[in-house]
Amino acid sequence: AQSVTQPDIHITVSEGASLELRCNYSYGATPYLFWYVQSPGQGLQLLLKYFSGDTLVQGIKGFEAEFKRSQSSFNLRKPSVHWSDAAEYFCAVVTYSGGYQKVTFGTGTKLQVIP
Amino acid sequence: EAQVTQNPRYLITVTGKKLTVTCSQNMNHEYMSWYRQDPGLGLRQIYYSMNVEVTDKGDVPEGYKVSRKEKRNFPLILESPSPNQTSLYFCASRRTGESFYYGYTFGSGTRLTVV
Repeated sequence: AQSVTQPDIHITVSEGASLELRCNYSYGATPYLFWYVQSPGQGLQLLLKYFSGDTLVQGIKGFEAEFKRSQSSFNLRKPSVHWSDAAEYFCAVVTYSGGYQKVTFGTGTKLQVIP
Repeated sequence: EAQVTQNPRYLITVTGKKLTVTCSQNMNHEYMSWYRQDPGLGLRQIYYSMNVEVTDKGDVPEGYKVSRKEKRNFPLILESPSPNQTSLYFCASRRTGESFYYGYTFGSGTRLTVV
């Protein structure tokens, strides 16, 4: 069965610093990969997605993610973090199982941004 | 505006008192789903619906019911709530087939407390 691991429960970065949030997946084939962001009191919003092709994908709000097949990873990055990026971030894997699409979410990484 | 609307946003109830959380989407999406979010566990799927009158269990369906009589609505029913159902609930919808590329649109969440 597929699984998603976000090893960092909580990350603190200074405003203006770079950011990398880790995501590792377990699946027999190349899955479809997503990153979502959840601002306080809000639902999840899609940041970016990967299906095939270029392994570096660009998303909204200046985020990007790189798919590395050899490491089974899909890490989220941002060169310069803004205070408004403080939120919880979820990696998700979409796979096919028995003809149906299955979405599996990671447990989330909470980002704190300090001035 | 394209959106998923959940009601209520906050609900406190007592053990055993039946309740319904409503979910409505205005995007004509075929697929709708309910998730619960608990600290350290991420999002877990409760039930999903591929289309009208087609529903199926997710990963944690015990204690919940759903119905899909109309395409736009997908209510979550707790017939006899218990304290372990205290959680943050999200409804989400998406198009099916190749359109799952677009990912989910999430509602703003319902925070349920069962005392």
